[in-house]
Amino acid sequence: AQSVSQHNHHVILSEAASLELGCNYSYGGTVNLFWYVQYPGQHLQLLLKYFSGDPLVKGIKGFEAEFIKSKFSFNLRKPSVQWSDTAEYFCAVNPDTGRRALTFGSGTRLQVQP
Amino acid sequence: GAGVSQSPSNKVTEKGKDVELRCDPISGHTALYWYRQSLGQGLEFLIYFQGNSAPDKSGLPSDRFSAERTGGSVSTLTIQRTQQEDSAVYLCASSQRAGTNSPLHFGNGTRLTVT
Repeated sequence: AQSVSQHNHHVILSEAASLELGCNYSYGGTVNLFWYVQYPGQHLQLLLKYFSGDPLVKGIKGFEAEFIKSKFSFNLRKPSVQWSDTAEYFCAVNPDTGRRALTFGSGTRLQVQP
Repeated sequence: GAGVSQSPSNKVTEKGKDVELRCDPISGHTALYWYRQSLGQGLEFLIYFQGNSAPDKSGLPSDRFSAERTGGSVSTLTIQRTQQEDSAVYLCASSQRAGTNSPLHFGNGTRLTVT
């Protein structure tokens, strides 16, 4: 079965700092990859997704993620974080065949200090 | 348009009691998912419904857990004889169509506390 690892559980940054959150998955075939975000008091929402094509995908609010197939990674980046980016970030994956439900990582709590 | 609606938002129950959690998906969404979010453990898949197909129950942790989806719309997750380890936030999500690349729309969840 596939699994997703997010190695950073809690990240604290100052505003304007650059962000990179790691995500690695275990599955040898074709995958679909997602990042979801949960702002305080809100429901989970899609940040960005990768299905095929350009491995560098751009999402909302200046976020981007790069799919590196050889490293089984899909790291999330943002050049300059804002206080409003404080949230919990979840990486998710599912294979292009088989089960339709996403497998999520354990999440990374990002705290941006003003 | 309304998003995914879950009720109740909070539920406190005594160990050994049964609970029912409800999910109203977005109208027209054919797929419905239940996940469980425990502190520090991310989202754990429980069950998935797609149209009239047999549900994928592979994530249900024990036979105390069951779910149904009536008329292809509203879903109910039932936990029988609740245990303290069942305490978590139960999230429902729906997606527009079959296929692994259809984004999920989540509800706000039901926070279940078993005392």
